[in-house]
Amino acid sequence: AIQLTQSPSSLSTSVGDRVTITCRASQGISSALAWYQQRPGKAPKLLIYDASSLESGVPSRFSGSGSGTDFTLTISSLQPEDFATYYCQQFNNYAGLTFGGGTKLEIK
Amino acid sequence: QVQLVESGGRVVQPGRSLRLSCAASGFTFSSFGMHWVRQAPGKGLEWVAVLSYDGSNKYYADSVKGRFTISRDQSKNRLDLQMNGLRVEDTAVYYCARTQSSGNWYFDLWGRGTLVTVSS
Repeated sequence: AIQLTQSPSSLSTSVGDRVTITCRASQGISSALAWYQQRPGKAPKLLIYDASSLESGVPSRFSGSGSGTDFTLTISSLQPEDFATYYCQQFNNYAGLTFGGGTKLEIK
Repeated sequence: QVQLVESGGRVVQPGRSLRLSCAASGFTFSSFGMHWVRQAPGKGLEWVAVLSYDGSNKYYADSVKGRFTISRDQSKNRLDLQMNGLRVEDTAVYYCARTQSSGNWYFDLWGRGTLVTVSS
């Protein structure tokens, strides 16, 4: 199974900061990667799909890039509501689907 | 209103069975593949199973293969997960999630989840 490794696992940041989260796949997955945001006690929310496509309704401060094995999620200017945990996810049809271990953004 | 609502979670003893349901509304249920995803307390997300829009194809995570069965009732707009031989490590919040309309296995709609606790 394809493994996804996220870094960092946690990050202390401040409102207004630019934040970058990395997701590395154990083998090439082309652009079949998504990013989700999960606030405490809530279901995850899709932010980015196909590595760089912004889901409808998601603020433009969120962006994604990468292909193959290395991917990034960038938040250009952190807002108070962005303090949450972020997960990357890949799929390989008929061979399953995996999530990264998560990155928790905390207020500095 | 477009939504998914899970039900059926409760405390159950190891080795017993449990059936979860997910009620879909506000969209054409029969046009979308559907998944179950779980999250153990304080842990990350784990994909469990997927069922194609027409029920013809289903796939499972290795951790539940042979014990869990995913199914759907198109007439009732309902997705089910039959869980047999439950283990302590199956304790989690179980979410149902909708496959993106493109057919790619991204989840653009999630329920609020239902908690399954496996404990003696």
